[in-house]
Formats: sequence, C-alpha cells, structure tokens
Amino acid sequence: EPEVTQTPSHQVTQMGQEVILRCVPISNHLYFYWYRQILGQKVEFLVSFYNNEISEKSEIFDDQFSVERPDGSNFTLKIRSTKLEDSAMYFCASSEVGNQPQHFGDGTRLSIL
Amino acid sequence: GESVGLHLPTLSVQEGDNSIINCAYSNSASDYFIWYKQESGKGPQFIIDIRSNMDKRQGQRVTVLLNKTVKHLSLQIAATQPGDSAVYFCAENGNSWGKLQFGAGTQVVVTP
Repeated sequence: EPEVTQTPSHQVTQMGQEVILRCVPISNHLYFYWYRQILGQKVEFLVSFYNNEISEKSEIFDDQFSVERPDGSNFTLKIRSTKLEDSAMYFCASSEVGNQPQHFGDGTRLSIL
Repeated sequence: GESVGLHLPTLSVQEGDNSIINCAYSNSASDYFIWYKQESGKGPQFIIDIRSNMDKRQGQRVTVLLNKTVKHLSLQIAATQPGDSAVYFCAENGNSWGKLQFGAGTQVVVTP
C-alpha cells in the first residue's frame, strides 16, 4: 500500500539554526499538508499546499516557516530560525483532493536544544 | 520550555467486547469527519470517514455515527482486539477544504 514517507525520523538542532524536514507524499496525491504534535497534545494543522502554492495556513505558521515542492516527489517544511517551542513531532500528510482522507507519515521528531 | 500534556480520557475494553469512542465537534460548518488511530511513535492512521449528508457509515469492524443536531461523532469497534490499543482521534474539516481540526484523543486499552 502506498505510504507517505518522512525523513529524518529524528532531528536535533541548536536553537536559532535552520532546519528542513522532508516528505515524499503518495505519488498520485495533489494536496499536501504539514501538522505538528507537541508531546502529549493534540495534532495541530500548520499548512496546506496545492498547485504549488499555500492554500491555507494556521497562526502557528508564521514568517519563520516555509514550504516547498522542489521537484515532482518531495515536499519540504523549513523553519528558518528554530526556537525551543518548535520542539514537536512534525507530520506530513497528503490526499488525492481536498476533503478526502489525508494519509499521514510517521513523522519527524524535532528536538531544539 | 516544558509542555503540559493533556490528560487523555481512557477507555478500557476487554478483548472481544465492542468499543464505543465518542467525540464532540465544535464547528457546525464542518461537513467532513474522519477517525484516526495513532499508535505510539507512529503517525495518525486513517480508519474511516463520513460526510455530513450521512449519519452512519460502516467499514471492516468499525462503524461511525454522526449526529449533527448535537454535533456528536462516535466510533464503534466490534470485537475489540489487542491490536486496537491506541489513541483514537476524531477530526473535522471546519469551514475549510483541507485543514483538519483534531480532537484531544481517547486512549483505548484492550485487556485480555
């Protein structure tokens, strides 16, 4: 069964450094998403992406965050200058179209020191 | 800084019994709802979805019920198995085409 893959599984970064989280969505999917889950808390929406542009973003997704689809398969989340409170699990998801089941990867655990 | 975790409601179920997990959603404009299962160290796994023009949908061993009048969603798991132990989240689409808003989750523990 096709799946969303994310790399790395764990990223440790010094505060203030840039970090790029990578995702390979399911190949025939057209909508891509990033969510985060702070330890012990609910899953929170960050951003949705369709047709090479952001469709919607949350308040969390400020100027420090950006997303990109650099080629036909990868979807990346960049945090420009990380803060301690960015420590969380970051999940990528994709769906064939909007309002269809979103399929999630197993996440990247981001630890900011 | 230290995160304060949510105290997840826990449902203890005996193996072989049926489970019912409940969820109250917040946005009356939501027209699409999904149940996810999350095992430790993994991402949310799609279980079943339902649209607002339906009030019941069945899958393999699972049934989702939607009551739009009281904004309530439930997931029924038949003949619960040890592999069903996980955190279960409901999610709604709000007034949006793709953004999902997740509930707090319910921890299901299956005992032998």
